[in-house]
Amino acid sequence: GENVEQHPSTLSVQEGDSAVIKCTYSDSASNYFPWYKQELGKRPQLIIDIRSNVGEKKDQRIAVTLNKTAKHFSLHITETQPEDSAVYFCAASTQPVNAGKSTFGDGTTLTVKP
Amino acid sequence: DAGVIQSPRHEVTEMGQEVTLRCKPISGHDYLFWYRQTMMRGLELLIYFNNNVPIDDSGMPEDRFSAKMPNASFSTLKIQPSEPRDSAVYFCASSFSGYEAFFGQGTRLTVV
Repeated sequence: GENVEQHPSTLSVQEGDSAVIKCTYSDSASNYFPWYKQELGKRPQLIIDIRSNVGEKKDQRIAVTLNKTAKHFSLHITETQPEDSAVYFCAASTQPVNAGKSTFGDGTTLTVKP
Repeated sequence: DAGVIQSPRHEVTEMGQEVTLRCKPISGHDYLFWYRQTMMRGLELLIYFNNNVPIDDSGMPEDRFSAKMPNASFSTLKIQPSEPRDSAVYFCASSFSGYEAFFGQGTRLTVV
């Protein structure tokens, strides 16, 4: 089955700096890669996703890049703000063969210091 | 739509008791997932349904766990008998075509 590894497990940055979280996956058939943000005591919520037919996607301060050859993808947050502090999860799945069966990384706890 | 609705939000029960968690997915979504989240094991997929049919239950830890989806608007996750190691936050999520998962607020289960 799919295995997703996420690094680092914790990340602390100063407000205004950039943050980068990296994930690697094992199944070359994986083609859908969402990122979820989970604030303390709340539910995970999708912040951005990318499909394997593109290499990069951006939404304001958040971007995701995908390297299919190396089987890794990364989340980039620029101009970080204290409200970006949360746990971030990457995931991978194979659509439509195993649609919905996402394998999650172990999460990265991001702390943005004011 | 109110989003995915789970009940109860909190449940405290004694070891050996039966526990039933409930979920109402977003209308029109064809996938429903049950996840368990703990500090030690992270976010684990227990089982998921497509059009009310269980597709993969390989994540269900033991026979003590069972899940049903009798119709498109309701699902249950049952633990019988419950054990202290079942203590966790249980999330239900739904999605359309298996893409973005919309999570409910979760049920925090404590088994004493």
